[in-house]
Amino acid sequence: DAKTTQPPSMDCAEGRAANLPCNHSTISGNEYVYWYRQIHSQGPQYIIHGLKNNETNEMASLIITEDRKSSTLILPHATLRDTAVYYCIVRAPGTGGADGLTFGKGTHLIIQP
Amino acid sequence: DAGITQSPRHKVTETGTPVTLRCHQTENHRYMYWYRQDPGHGLRLIHYSYGVKDTDKGEVSDGYSVSRSKTEDFLLTLESATSSQTSVYFCAISESPASNTEAFFGQGTRLTVV
Repeated sequence: DAKTTQPPSMDCAEGRAANLPCNHSTISGNEYVYWYRQIHSQGPQYIIHGLKNNETNEMASLIITEDRKSSTLILPHATLRDTAVYYCIVRAPGTGGADGLTFGKGTHLIIQP
Repeated sequence: DAGITQSPRHKVTETGTPVTLRCHQTENHRYMYWYRQDPGHGLRLIHYSYGVKDTDKGEVSDGYSVSRSKTEDFLLTLESATSSQTSVYFCAISESPASNTEAFFGQGTRLTVV
């Protein structure tokens, strides 16, 4: 999987939008960007993924820059339950699902009351 | 949440004893995986299955065996548990390994070998 760079930690006020950045400057044209999170003592949770276009689902929005070298995960109205480690992952061609999923250090997002 | 149940959720066992962890899914997904998570190592793949009775080794398979006799169940067995196998074990499922397919994880089993 291509290398990603994320800030180690971020704070966000409850009720505000949390914007989590990810740099993936070596991404190639057919690699997807995935986001997972892991709440303390729980299993990793899939959030969203995308290739080129921005994506939105019931949990979050994913904004991918036009050159695809970076992306931002947006949690529109953060709650205390969104406190977790968030992982940005670029999937190599031919890998998907849970096949060889590699989690780096991620961003520890702390939602402040 | 995806229908994945891991059992037991916590277990303490003695060195040298056999241990079996169970992963049960209700999603009818073809692919199932066992990972372990340890501080400083992230997630590491132990074994995976791509269908009933079809399994293969992952990155850290030594000391582990698996079986999948039904689509919904994937068992991980430690034949003779060692202290180095103290870890948190996660089961994951996916419909396929295609590059645009997400994975869903269970809640984990915390295993302590004393």
